[in-house]
Amino acid sequence: GEDVEQSLFLSVREGDSSVINCTYTDSSSTYLYWYKQEPGAGLQLLTYIFSNMDMKQDQRLTVLLNKKDKHLSLRIADTQTGDSAIYFCAARGGGADGLTFGKGTHLIIQP
Amino acid sequence: EAQVTQNPRYLITVTGKKLTVTCSQNMNHEYMSWYRQDPGLGLRQIYYSMNVEVTDKGDVPEGYKVSRKEKRNFPLILESPSPNQTSLYFCASSYTGTGLYGYTFGSGTRLTVV
Repeated sequence: GEDVEQSLFLSVREGDSSVINCTYTDSSSTYLYWYKQEPGAGLQLLTYIFSNMDMKQDQRLTVLLNKKDKHLSLRIADTQTGDSAIYFCAARGGGADGLTFGKGTHLIIQP
Repeated sequence: EAQVTQNPRYLITVTGKKLTVTCSQNMNHEYMSWYRQDPGLGLRQIYYSMNVEVTDKGDVPEGYKVSRKEKRNFPLILESPSPNQTSLYFCASSYTGTGLYGYTFGSGTRLTVV
């Protein structure tokens, strides 16, 4: 089955850009997602990208997809303290089963 | 407001005492799913349902049951809870199983089994 990997922690300074990386194993994954989880809350869908796209930009968020390397990244420009959260990468194949999530990356913002 | 509602938010129970965590969505979604979140393990799918009366096992179904008698509700049942089921549980829903626009998650239920 699908396996999704992310680094567990990322520390950045306020105002810098954050880049969170993710790799997946199933080359047939058709939809890829980034979710944000703030302390004590559920997961909130941030953005998604289809496998026929290379890049998607939405305000401060930029998603890059390298299908050849099965690598997905989320760039957050001008990182703010409110961006402090756990970010989950998730992949979905073409079948009827659910999303496979990475373990989540804790984004830590330094003043 | 479109949402997925889970109850209770927090629950402490004793080993072996049957419990049910409820999940309800008001978006007319066909697809619903339960996940558990554990430190260092991320989110793992327990069960999912493609529609009414259609349920299937996820990655970690042992010790859990579900039912889907109505489209809006998808309760998670622990017949005989054990301490290794102490976890944070999330219910999620989507228009279809393809999850084209992602899933909507509930706020979570933190379960402690002593």
